[in-house]
Amino acid sequence: DSGVTQTPKHLITATGQRVTLRCSPRSGDLSVYWYQQSLDQGLQFLIQYYNGEERAKGNILERFSAQQFPDLHSELNLSSLELGDSALYFCASSTTGGASGNTIYFGEGSWLTVV
Amino acid sequence: GESVGLHLPTLSVQEGDNSIINCAYSNSASDYFIWYKQESGKGPQFIIDIRSNMDKRQGQRVTVLLNKTVKHLSLQIAATQPGDSAVYFCAENSNNNDMRFGAGTRLTVKP
Repeated sequence: DSGVTQTPKHLITATGQRVTLRCSPRSGDLSVYWYQQSLDQGLQFLIQYYNGEERAKGNILERFSAQQFPDLHSELNLSSLELGDSALYFCASSTTGGASGNTIYFGEGSWLTVV
Repeated sequence: GESVGLHLPTLSVQEGDNSIINCAYSNSASDYFIWYKQESGKGPQFIIDIRSNMDKRQGQRVTVLLNKTVKHLSLQIAATQPGDSAVYFCAENSNNNDMRFGAGTRLTVKP
C-alpha cells in the first residue's frame, strides 16, 4: 500500500458526461500528480500540483482540469467525455514538487470506461 | 522531443534465471532515474532508483545500472520468480519536475 488513495476505483459513464476523480496523497506529501494510462500504453503525464498551485503541465486536454485543495487532496475533472478517454487514471504524490530526485508513489488508479 | 523508451516490449524468462530489462533515454539533463513495477490492475510500484552521479545501485534481488555515456539504463532481477511477472517502466526526471515514463516492458516468468 503506497498510501495514496484514489476514488472511485471503477466508473462507467456515457459519452458527453463529466466525471470527477479524487485523490488523497500520502500523509505529508505536498505534491500530487495525475497520469493517464490507456490499454497497453505507457503512463502519460497530465498535470502536477504542489501545495495547491499548478507546478507542471503535460499532455492534458482542455476538456480536463484539476485542482489541489488546502487539505492537499486533488480532483481531476474530465468533461465532454469521449470513448477515447477510457483509461486508467493514476494519482501519485511526493514529498516535494521541486528538484530532481523526487520519488513519486502511485495510487491504485481509477478505471474509467466511457460507453 | 526528449523521450524515454524501452528496447524490448516483452521479455520471457525461465523461473530462476536472471532478467535484464533495458531502457534508453534521450534527455541528457536527466539526473534521476526510477524503475517501477506494475502488476495487472494495480498502480506502478517503486522498485529502485539511481542518481546520475552513480553507475550502479543494488537492492534486494535487483540491480540498476546507468550508463550516461550512451544514455542507457537497465534493471537486473536475480533469480526471477513468478511474482516478478509484471510490466516494468523506467522513468527519468530532471529539474523541470516532469517525470517521464518509458513505454514499459512486459516480463513473463515461466515456471
